Amino acid sequence: QKEVEQDPGPLSVPEGAIVSLNCTYSNSAFQYFMWYRQYSRKGPELLMYTYSSGNKEDGRFTAQVDKSSKYISLFIRDSQPSDSATYLCAMSAGNNNDMRFGAGTRLTVKP
Amino acid sequence: NAGVTQTPKFQVLKTGQSMTLQCAQDMNHNSMYWYRQDPGMGLRLIYYSASEGTTDKGEVPNGYNVSRLNKREFSLRLESAAPSQTSVYFCASSEGLAGYTQYFGPGTRLTVL
Repeated sequence: QKEVEQDPGPLSVPEGAIVSLNCTYSNSAFQYFMWYRQYSRKGPELLMYTYSSGNKEDGRFTAQVDKSSKYISLFIRDSQPSDSATYLCAMSAGNNNDMRFGAGTRLTVKP
Repeated sequence: NAGVTQTPKFQVLKTGQSMTLQCAQDMNHNSMYWYRQDPGMGLRLIYYSASEGTTDKGEVPNGYNVSRLNKREFSLRLESAAPSQTSVYFCASSEGLAGYTQYFGPGTRLTVL
């Protein structure tokens, strides 16, 4: 079993829809949680960074962490075609070399 | 401010050939990383360098070597390439190791025939 599980999709939604992306994990020591966006043939870029449990909002993006369920989510409101990308979750316990990434969910937002 | 740069962008090798992937960052970060990204596997850490002069193995170090040339540069070497090393390679850097955001380069697409 992988430490981090992420549904690869693909996920296709119409413009303006609310998108929900999720990851589950098995290591209860994880306390730093990140979401990266990766456009085709580009490197990942950081979208959201959360420490421990709770919600964090940044514009149209909201990250949620539920440590009791070992479940994290990224919500995108009013999705745009420019949001079409692969979204990677990542998490760390804060130790050397322990960052683990999900396989990524490919999202397409249709105009 | 270019961030993290990688060269080359693309490379095709024959089995048994060697090559070095170059990475440089201009953010004055202490820590640097090499990852490989394969379909369905996510990013996997090959080697990392906590600071200038130190390197350590990650999840999948076999078949690779690294050199932290100075604070800016971190190279990855394949001594004898194998088809299993066909992948997209990303370099990343961060201010520190524990809990710091990592910034990624654009990647190198490597095919080993």
